[in-house]
Amino acid sequence: GQNIDQPTEMTATEGAIVQINCTYQTSGFNGLFWYQQHAGEAPTFLSYNVLDGLEEKGRFSSFLSRSKGYSYLLLKELQMKDSASYLCAVRDSNYQLIWGAGTKLIIKP
Amino acid sequence: DAMVIQNPRYQVTQFGKPVTLSCSQTLNHNVMYWYQQKSSQAPKLLFHYYDKDFNNEADTPDNFQSRRPNTSFCFLDIRSPGLGDAAMYLCATSRTAGGPDTQYFGPGTRLTVL
Repeated sequence: GQNIDQPTEMTATEGAIVQINCTYQTSGFNGLFWYQQHAGEAPTFLSYNVLDGLEEKGRFSSFLSRSKGYSYLLLKELQMKDSASYLCAVRDSNYQLIWGAGTKLIIKP
Repeated sequence: DAMVIQNPRYQVTQFGKPVTLSCSQTLNHNVMYWYQQKSSQAPKLLFHYYDKDFNNEADTPDNFQSRRPNTSFCFLDIRSPGLGDAAMYLCATSRTAGGPDTQYFGPGTRLTVL
């Protein structure tokens, strides 16, 4: 079966750095996405990785290792508004998005 | 601004009473998706359209139907809602189904079944 694993919940301090990990086992790989979802709202796109390495976009960076089936989302200079769930999703060989259940990130002052 | 719009944002229905949720997009995207998401769970794909081609997920109950009368609109019909169908329903669009084309989501419709 296909599987995306993320920690259920993480806590971090305002101004700090946090890394959210995602491991995946899918039938094929055609890219990995990270989405942010605030409570009661729709997911919004953060990043896309298809090649190994680090993609940086402002305070957010995403890393991919295809050989390890592993990605992480790195959030720097955390702000209270970053409190949200972060969902990892992998596009499989059929171009379907396989979603993780998300990591709820709690930011404390 | 180009966007994905869902109406209504909140829908209350009675057990067994049919309900229709609507989605429209101004992005002119080829693909439209319907997802069901329950609290603290991953979005679950119900079906998607690539243009007029309908693709039903194998485990989507027959109780759920969809229509896409034109490029801009897509509807989700729940014929006989049960208590287990209470969830957030998310509509998403993408230009194509592959490559870096990301899915853009509407704000969702939260369905309550009494």
